[in-house]
Amino acid sequence: QVQLVESGGGVVQPGGSLRLSCAASGFTFSSYGMHWVRQAPGKGLEWVAFIQYDGSNSYYADSVKGRFTISRDNSKNTLYLQMNSLRAEDTAVYYCAKDRYYGSGAGFGGPIDYWGQGTLVTVSS
Amino acid sequence: EIVLTQSPGTLSLSPGERATLSCRASQRVSSSYLAWYQQKPGQAPRLLIYGASSRATGIPDRFSGSGSGTDFTLTISRLDPEDFAVYYCQQYGGSPTTFGQGTKVEIK
Repeated sequence: QVQLVESGGGVVQPGGSLRLSCAASGFTFSSYGMHWVRQAPGKGLEWVAFIQYDGSNSYYADSVKGRFTISRDNSKNTLYLQMNSLRAEDTAVYYCAKDRYYGSGAGFGGPIDYWGQGTLVTVSS
Repeated sequence: EIVLTQSPGTLSLSPGERATLSCRASQRVSSSYLAWYQQKPGQAPRLLIYGASSRATGIPDRFSGSGSGTDFTLTISRLDPEDFAVYYCQQYGGSPTTFGQGTKVEIK
């Protein structure tokens, strides 16, 4: 069965950095695009970033562009999110998520058929 | 970017009733690239519908999606007690992909 397990969350000061990881199993990781989606406490879902199956292209929400970097290591079945220049408004549960579409069919990101349980990032002094 | 507006914000219904949730896009969503998700407290979202009307694997047939262009609907034909949750729409026809703000379906 598909499993996505995030790690790396925690408390960080404004302006600081954090790297999230997501270990994937139960599917051919190298064949699917992957997303990061976040949810601030008590709020709705906000898409953060998407990376294509082979890492050739990535896309970002305007709110994180230039500060966050999504990457993947297909040899380790692992997705990453490097977060720099963190702000209080970045406080959220961050979900790692698998795109439903195979290969290049996902384009710049499609529907999400599997989600991890999330990791909490708190930006506070 | 395409802005999705969901209505109503909260829907108060009883088990067995029909629920109709709306998702309106600020621009036409190409190829009906519209998905619906269900989220319960403390849980990750679950994909219900993709391509505006295709049910995801394992989703009961009481859930149905319809619409095209800028207006989309999620219908739950008869509410089961486990269906009380928050529902989100997502468009993936334009970059960046975006989510609506959610509709909460609560027990009346």
